Amino acid sequence: GAGVSQSPRYKVAKRGQDVALRCDPISGHVSLFWYQQALGQGPEFLTYFQNEAQLDKSGLPSDRFFAERPEGSVSTLKIQRTQQEDSAVYLCASSLAWQGEGYEQYFGPGTRLTVT
Amino acid sequence: QQQVKQSPQSLIVQKGGIPIINCAYENTAFDYFPWYQQFPGKGPALLIAIRPDVSEKKEGRFTISFNKSAKQFSLHIMDSQPGDSATYFCAASRGGTGKLIFGQGTTLQVKP
Repeated sequence: GAGVSQSPRYKVAKRGQDVALRCDPISGHVSLFWYQQALGQGPEFLTYFQNEAQLDKSGLPSDRFFAERPEGSVSTLKIQRTQQEDSAVYLCASSLAWQGEGYEQYFGPGTRLTVT
Repeated sequence: QQQVKQSPQSLIVQKGGIPIINCAYENTAFDYFPWYQQFPGKGPALLIAIRPDVSEKKEGRFTISFNKSAKQFSLHIMDSQPGDSATYFCAASRGGTGKLIFGQGTTLQVKP
């Protein structure tokens, strides 16, 4: 079956612009995660949804970052008034369950955001 | 606060060698430890994962060794191939939260 898909794959934004990044999780997966990966670093957690409920947003770096998953499937990560330090790869992951069997997270290819 | 420390940062082995990548964690509440493989321009791909009730797990050429008392775990790649050249990340999470804490990554090069 299809894996996690993300769009766009690449995004160039001028400083101060708003951007929206989309994630389509694996069909039927309950949990959805967003991570930020800086060049040469490991992914860092941003936020987590269980169905449509955002259960943890402790990793969002500022109030310019906002995520939603209104119908419990597709999710959008929005960054307002982008800054150069927002340049990174934004990864989305989904898992079948939030604990026990099916706990494994499967990642999409990421969206590379460059802020100029 | 760096909760998962990974070493070495980079590793070069000959084809057929057995690279070993090590990770140490701090939070004793962690109960799930996966390893991911990432190629340039791609997302991380899950390789193998372990829970602390076992000390070793094998899947194909990949083996995780887990030492709960030392709070350490490692990845061994048997009979390594040039196609294994990639960046490897260890991670940890606490049950019920889902949030993965990643190590800094190890860039592996397997020479033909």
